[in-house]
Amino acid sequence: KAGVTQTPRYLIKTRGQQVTLSCSPISGHRSVSWYQQTPGQGLQFLFEYFSETQRNKGNFPGRFSGRQFSNSRSEMNVSTLELGDSALYLCASSLGGGPYEQYFGPGTRLTVT
Amino acid sequence: GIQVEQSPPDLILQEGANSTLRCNFSDSVNNLQWFHQNPWGQLINLFYIPSGTKQNGRLSATTVATERYSLLYISSSQTTDSGVYFCAGGIQETSGSRLTFGEGTQLTVNP
Repeated sequence: KAGVTQTPRYLIKTRGQQVTLSCSPISGHRSVSWYQQTPGQGLQFLFEYFSETQRNKGNFPGRFSGRQFSNSRSEMNVSTLELGDSALYLCASSLGGGPYEQYFGPGTRLTVT
Repeated sequence: GIQVEQSPPDLILQEGANSTLRCNFSDSVNNLQWFHQNPWGQLINLFYIPSGTKQNGRLSATTVATERYSLLYISSSQTTDSGVYFCAGGIQETSGSRLTFGEGTQLTVNP
């Protein structure tokens, strides 16, 4: 069974631009969560989508948004990029609907210049 | 929200040594995992262990849910064990699949 895939793997953007990252979960998984990892803040939860609905949201500004499609693939969008948004963005998938094991993708490394 | 405290923050070992990493939680969790982050940033699943003990080769983990802590044991360490180890936990009923991560333990195994 294929693992969690994320695209693109690397991205360089300029301040003020927007970016969209994509995550395809493991087949059959209905929950997708997004995390941001930075050297200063560690791994922080952004949001979780389950069956196309946002089920949980972390403490990030409204510039960070996401959605989930009927095939469980998820996208996250960051608008008006700031230098501080440079980070590794990781998504995780799980069956959802219970305390199940989560599996992480390889991440998208975003650099904002 | 849940607070996760990992110790030690850094650990340097000689190849062949054993080690124990600890994770304390501020609240009871029913979703608990250990990860190893590889040099490229991917989080590799080690254990899903909300309670009890599990073993996988040279690695084992124990979670004492009633006392809100978990331990990761690495025996006969190898240089390839180097990297950052994270524990993470959550409460499904209130937070869905959300995991709160500790700050990690940076493990260096020298030949």
